[in-house]
Amino acid sequence: GDSVTQMEGPVTLSEEAFLTINCTYTATGYPSLFWYVQYPGEGLQLLLKATKADDKGSNKGFEATYRKETTSFHLEKGSVQVSDSAVYFCALRKAAGNKLTFGGGTRVLVKP
Amino acid sequence: KAGVTQTPRYLIKTRGQQVTLSCSPISGHRSVSWYQQTPGQGLQFLFEYFSETQRNKGNFPGRFSGRQFSNSRSEMNVSTLELGDSALYLCASSLESGGNQPQHFGDGTRLSIL
Repeated sequence: GDSVTQMEGPVTLSEEAFLTINCTYTATGYPSLFWYVQYPGEGLQLLLKATKADDKGSNKGFEATYRKETTSFHLEKGSVQVSDSAVYFCALRKAAGNKLTFGGGTRVLVKP
Repeated sequence: KAGVTQTPRYLIKTRGQQVTLSCSPISGHRSVSWYQQTPGQGLQFLFEYFSETQRNKGNFPGRFSGRQFSNSRSEMNVSTLELGDSALYLCASSLESGGNQPQHFGDGTRLSIL
């Protein structure tokens, strides 16, 4: 079946450091790919998405490129802030329906 | 515009009881999906409802059921509660089912089983 694998955390960084969270997927067909972020006590917020190969999603300084050849969708941010501390989830969705398949989540802690 | 509203936010039950969780989607959204989030299993898809019909179902036992009303509000029911049902239950809504419509999540209902 479909699956998403992302690097385990926690990832601890200093403010203004570069962030990369690796995400790879296994799926048939051409899924859409997503990054969601979850802050303490809250639900998930969509951070960015890409719907086809070579698409680049971007939002709030975060970027991720849909790489079909490596089945990857790595999340990057050039300069993190303390407010970026959260849990980040990579997910995929097939064309039919709204079922999201999530990775295990990566906790990021940014220290001042 | 109001977001996805889940009630109650917190719930404590004992083993063997049943529970009903509610989700009010964003106005105009017709698709509602439910997810279970636990530290051990992560985020797992329970089911999706669209126009009062179940579109898709995850790999959960029959104790987990749901329904959607004509106003798109959805309820999820869990019968004969087990300790392992302790989790954060998240609801997500979107305009349509499938396609490129984004899904918007509520803040969840945290269910604790004693």
